[in-house]
Amino acid sequence: AQSVTQLGSHVSVSEGALVLLRCNYSSSVPPYLFWYVQYPNQGLQLLLKYTSAATLVKGINDFEAEFKKSETSFHLTKPSAHMSDAAEYFCAVSEGGNTPLVFGKGTRLSVIA
Amino acid sequence: EAGVAQSPRYKIIEKRQSVAFWCNPISGHATLYWYQQILGQGPKLLIQFQNNGVVDDSQLPKDRFSAERLKGVDSTLKIQPAKLEDSAVYLCASGRANEQYFGPGTRLTVT
Repeated sequence: AQSVTQLGSHVSVSEGALVLLRCNYSSSVPPYLFWYVQYPNQGLQLLLKYTSAATLVKGINDFEAEFKKSETSFHLTKPSAHMSDAAEYFCAVSEGGNTPLVFGKGTRLSVIA
Repeated sequence: EAGVAQSPRYKIIEKRQSVAFWCNPISGHATLYWYQQILGQGPKLLIQFQNNGVVDDSQLPKDRFSAERLKGVDSTLKIQPAKLEDSAVYLCASGRANEQYFGPGTRLTVT
């Protein structure tokens, strides 16, 4: 069975500071990994995905994540936080293809002016 | 291309009433998913369709929840009768090529 653990239910950063959201996964097969963002009263928007190609994945809005198999991690980073980045972020894992996503509990990012 | 459409966006019902949600996936996407997102948690799969057939409904509470996808396009999710613990956001997603695209969700409040 697959699972995802997101460390920290709430992360607060200053505007312009580095954003680091942590995600660790468990999977018995090579995983496909995703980060989604959810703004209030909206659905989930895909930020980036890892599908067994390059281990450093770049996504939208200057977000990126690095797949580290030895650490079973897929942490999300952004060099400089903007106020508009304040949202809920979800890490998810799947077995690829059309298999369903297994999500973490989410991390709420607050950006302080 | 148009995104995943869901309706209604919000619904308030009393416990023991019934409710239905509708989803229209992205054109051409054969796979459709319904997820339940309880406040403070990540979404959890309720049911997955491939065209109009069920692939996985192991997490669907079948004593009260039902879903169908007629003609392999639109889908409806029904709850009858609703319980307080069914209060959640119900997300529909459609997918292909290792990506899932989510609709805006239906926020259900059961009082």
